[in-house]
Amino acid sequence: DAGVIQSPRHEVTEMGQEVTLRCKPISGHNSLFWYRQTMMRGLELLIYFNNNVPIDDSGMPEDRFSAKMPNASFSTLKIQPSEPRDSAVYFCASSRAGVTGELFFGEGSRLTVL
Amino acid sequence: DAKTTQPNSMESNEEEPVHLPCNHSTISGTDYIHWYRQLPSQGPEYVIHGLTSNVNNRMASLAIAEDRKSSTLILHRATLRDAAVYYCILRDEGTNAGKSTFGDGTTLTVKP
Repeated sequence: DAGVIQSPRHEVTEMGQEVTLRCKPISGHNSLFWYRQTMMRGLELLIYFNNNVPIDDSGMPEDRFSAKMPNASFSTLKIQPSEPRDSAVYFCASSRAGVTGELFFGEGSRLTVL
Repeated sequence: DAKTTQPNSMESNEEEPVHLPCNHSTISGTDYIHWYRQLPSQGPEYVIHGLTSNVNNRMASLAIAEDRKSSTLILHRATLRDAAVYYCILRDEGTNAGKSTFGDGTTLTVKP
């Protein structure tokens, strides 16, 4: 299996632009998680889905952030408009349903907003 | 959400055992204890998990206190490649099924 695939790996954009990060979870995994990592705040859970349904989005910073999972094999995290404080590494992770399964993380998308 | 507390940093000598502690005094009966580690410039990777009994795998051992309020990750012989940030997290099987919140972790330095 190819593992969790994230794209793009790196993105540099200007303040005010729309940013879309993409994630393909491991086939057969029912849960998908979006995390953001910065030096100041560590690894923050933004939102997670079970069976394509958002379960908890309390970690989403504000209305500029939105996430979708239209099917079991694809999810997006969108920031519109982007701001310099959104600069971070964004990780996607997936797991089988239930908490006994391990989380598999992608390699992350490093976002820089100028 | 149940929280975990870990020391900010620990040091070890190469080829010596390492015991990484984690406190989770507010753990609920439906929480599983998971450990992950993050190498520089990589995403976190799974190490081990358990519920009540001690667990062993090829990477490490997990010792869980009888009252489940603390646990210890044991690396039997540390290598330079084990230098990483180690996270202890609780995964909730209850109301917030699957919710997985990371704390600050412990930065392990391994000295040759």
